Amino acid sequence: DVKVTQSSRYLVKRTGEKVFLECVQDMDHENMFWYRQDPGLGLRLIYFSYDVKMKEKGDIPEGYSVSREKKERFSLILESASTNQTSMYLCASSHDRGPPQYEQYFGPGTRLTVT
Amino acid sequence: GQQVMQIPQYQHVQEGEDFTTYCNSSTTLSNIQWYKQRPGGHPVFLIQLVKSGEVKKQKRLTFQFGEAKKNSSLHITATQTTDVGTYFCAGQGGSYIPTFGRGTSLIVHP
Repeated sequence: DVKVTQSSRYLVKRTGEKVFLECVQDMDHENMFWYRQDPGLGLRLIYFSYDVKMKEKGDIPEGYSVSREKKERFSLILESASTNQTSMYLCASSHDRGPPQYEQYFGPGTRLTVT
Repeated sequence: GQQVMQIPQYQHVQEGEDFTTYCNSSTTLSNIQWYKQRPGGHPVFLIQLVKSGEVKKQKRLTFQFGEAKKNSSLHITATQTTDVGTYFCAGQGGSYIPTFGRGTSLIVHP
């Protein structure tokens, strides 16, 4: 059974803080993704990684960076948190690149509030 | 870039009524996936369609991929309260990164 875990379910940070969101998957998946989910806007891709140390920008990378030093772990970094980064953050993983793309397995999400 | 539009944004139904959500892509897709997110949960993969005109069924759920591979639909027959949630489509075109629609939230009234 694929498991994607995220370091926190809920997080409250102050404006200007550096924030780390961690994601770990246990199925040896090549691809890992970070999304943010906001009401009415669906899932928006922040960053994508298809291999260790490889990353690609998604649709909304501004204000974020990522790190993938090990295959199973993908970190999302908010260099200086701002209130407009208050959101639900979802990590996902999948095998390979495709097409067709293999299905994505999502973690439980981290609800981040920046005050 | 590729855009995937999904309608409607919300749908209220009485239990037992049918439900349909539609996805339309601005470009031809190589495949489309459907996910369900229960309230308070995370998206869970339902199915993937690859072939032009493909139709797949999962019990009361019917998934279709258009002949031109630019649109798709999910139809639920005789909804139940357990069907409540948000249904997302995710289309993959020339890029290997899928694009999610904004989702359709299904509310079932008992």
